[in-house]
Amino acid sequence: LAKTTQPISMDSYEGQEVNITCSHNNIATNDYITWYQQFPSQGPRFIIQGYKTKVTNEVASLFIPADRKSSTLSLPRVSLSDTAVYYCLVGSQGNLIFGKGTKLSVKP
Amino acid sequence: GAVVSQHPSRVICKSGTSVKIECRSLDFQATTMFWYRQFPKQSLMLMATSNEGSKATYEQGVEKDKFLINHASLTLSTLTVTSAHPEDSSFYICSARETRGETQYFGPGTRLLVL
Repeated sequence: LAKTTQPISMDSYEGQEVNITCSHNNIATNDYITWYQQFPSQGPRFIIQGYKTKVTNEVASLFIPADRKSSTLSLPRVSLSDTAVYYCLVGSQGNLIFGKGTKLSVKP
Repeated sequence: GAVVSQHPSRVICKSGTSVKIECRSLDFQATTMFWYRQFPKQSLMLMATSNEGSKATYEQGVEKDKFLINHASLTLSTLTVTSAHPEDSSFYICSARETRGETQYFGPGTRLLVL
């Protein structure tokens, strides 16, 4: 299973765009890249998933370079409520191993 | 979007008793469900993978006789913590993967406190 590396923490201010990069050098051909958001005492919430290039939905964008060894989650115009832990996971058939995640703190 | 529920959301029990936690996929069928445990300020740790109609696959270090998993239907998996002890106190989270999908959807979690 591919291991991921993310920054432990990031700080931002309301209204800014936040980009969180995840490294996954050993990603396998069948692996997808999935990002989750977790608030304290809640289960992770699905944000976005992609295989290659760029994926965009109503809450975020996911950028994946051609070699797929990294990915970047982009959150446009964050608000205080986006303060949470963000996890990057790679895997297929649902076999996901959680790393430590990135604790994003959004300040007013 | 896909919704996964867990019941109960919180349980307090005495040491030595057994506790059952239910995980349901509400609007999709899930051939595979997963059980995780999360201690304070730590990441989620996969405990076991549950496949409908077959025995669960446990991660190394997880006692299968202590954490009984049943996945009797495509929408329900249960985790029973047998003879619970204070060290089993944790946040238990389930997830479900759509039968034909790659995405895992998580339940809201169950907080277990063993006194």
